[in-house]
Amino acid sequence: GAGVSQSPSNKVTEKGKDVELRCDPISGHTALYWYRQSLGQGLEFLIYFQGNSAPDKSGLPSDRFSAERTGGSVSTLTIQRTQQEDSAVYLCASRSRRSEAFFGQGTRLTVV
Amino acid sequence: ILNVEQSPQSLHVQEGDSTNFTCSFPSSNFYALHWYRWETAKSPEALFVMTLNGDEKKKGRISATLNTKEGYSYLYIKGSQPEDSATYLCAFMVGNAGGTSYGKLTFGQGTILTVHP
Repeated sequence: GAGVSQSPSNKVTEKGKDVELRCDPISGHTALYWYRQSLGQGLEFLIYFQGNSAPDKSGLPSDRFSAERTGGSVSTLTIQRTQQEDSAVYLCASRSRRSEAFFGQGTRLTVV
Repeated sequence: ILNVEQSPQSLHVQEGDSTNFTCSFPSSNFYALHWYRWETAKSPEALFVMTLNGDEKKKGRISATLNTKEGYSYLYIKGSQPEDSATYLCAFMVGNAGGTSYGKLTFGQGTILTVHP
């Protein structure tokens, strides 16, 4: 596609449920990033993929968070047993070598 | 842990004023410094990618400079307009010994600019 696509755009879930957030990067972009923005905060790094491997997953807040990328393209961020503090906007970005990052519109996750 | 600091945290200016913000980053193992503008209800959009010490880039009324030896970059907006109101983010990429990058983009907390008509 022309840009980075994220789905769903909004997700309301009950505490304790699992959620999956999807990111379709720009075709050909080898690097893919997940960030989140909690209320009143800046961009918090979660994980970074180069191809299908994740050289840096240091930002994942707990073992309830996991992410994978397949075929060097689509990535899925999974949050198990969601908690209220997981409520945030989750942003995905992709970039090619030496370029800027292109961001998706984000997924607004609300845990009730 | 990489420290990318931005100042000020927020800024209010009048239409027509010129303004500038600062991004500080580690002065060692530099690879690239990015600037992004993030408007409310939108996604961050890139302004500049800067890679060389002494780089100066310009896009319309917005320009940026880079000093990799001392670890800072300035973003300037000349003649601010209400549509410039946004959060301005810088992001640092660390390089490795081979002259390439580990690829991770570490963002600062941003400077929130409000331009009053």
